[in-house]
Amino acid sequence: QVHLVESGGGVVQPGRSLRLSCAASGFIFRNYGMHWVRQAPGKGLEWLTVIWADGSITYYADSVKGRFTVSRDNSKNTMFLQLDSLRAEDTAVYFCARFKLGNSFDFWGQGTMVTVS
Amino acid sequence: QSVLTQPPSVSGAPGQRVTIPCTGSSSNIGAGYDVHWYQQIPGTAPKLLIYDNNNRPSGVPDRFSGSKSGASASLAINGLRAEDEADYYCQSFDGTLSGTRYIFGTGTKVTVL
Repeated sequence: QVHLVESGGGVVQPGRSLRLSCAASGFIFRNYGMHWVRQAPGKGLEWLTVIWADGSITYYADSVKGRFTVSRDNSKNTMFLQLDSLRAEDTAVYFCARFKLGNSFDFWGQGTMVTVS
Repeated sequence: QSVLTQPPSVSGAPGQRVTIPCTGSSSNIGAGYDVHWYQQIPGTAPKLLIYDNNNRPSGVPDRFSGSKSGASASLAINGLRAEDEADYYCQSFDGTLSGTRYIFGTGTKVTVL
């Protein structure tokens, strides 16, 4: 079955960088677009970025544009999120999710916690 | 930055029906973009509950149903059960915000009395 596993979270100082990974299994990864979504403690869901199946197109939320970079390696069934110039307000659980045709997110990973302090 | 508005909380007794509204605007739901719903039990990942306004993924009970009208949508839970206690989010697409923008609702906590 579809399985998404995020990793790479941790505690980091403001202004530093972190790289998150999302390992996919159970489906043909190279055929699907993928998203990153985050959730600050006690808050709602915030969409961050999407990357097309072949990696050719990416879009970002204004809140992270210019600081975060999404990429993928289809040969390794893995998506990445490079987080630069981190701020306290970036503290959140970061989820990866699969892009379902019709603009929904049909499978989610369990999330990885990023704390900027 | 949510542009989809939901009530912070709704509650109901076991067996009752509850509905969760999701109010958007002419740039998202009102523009014809589909609405999707997610259930999130605290401490876990969101789960797709309803997609494309009124479709249930395999395994989602038919107690859950979705509808859309104009610039709003609604999730209904019939025959409320204790395990339905969770946070619920609507989601759509906004075509006028800068860049491509996938938007979530503010979230609604469902409490089973």
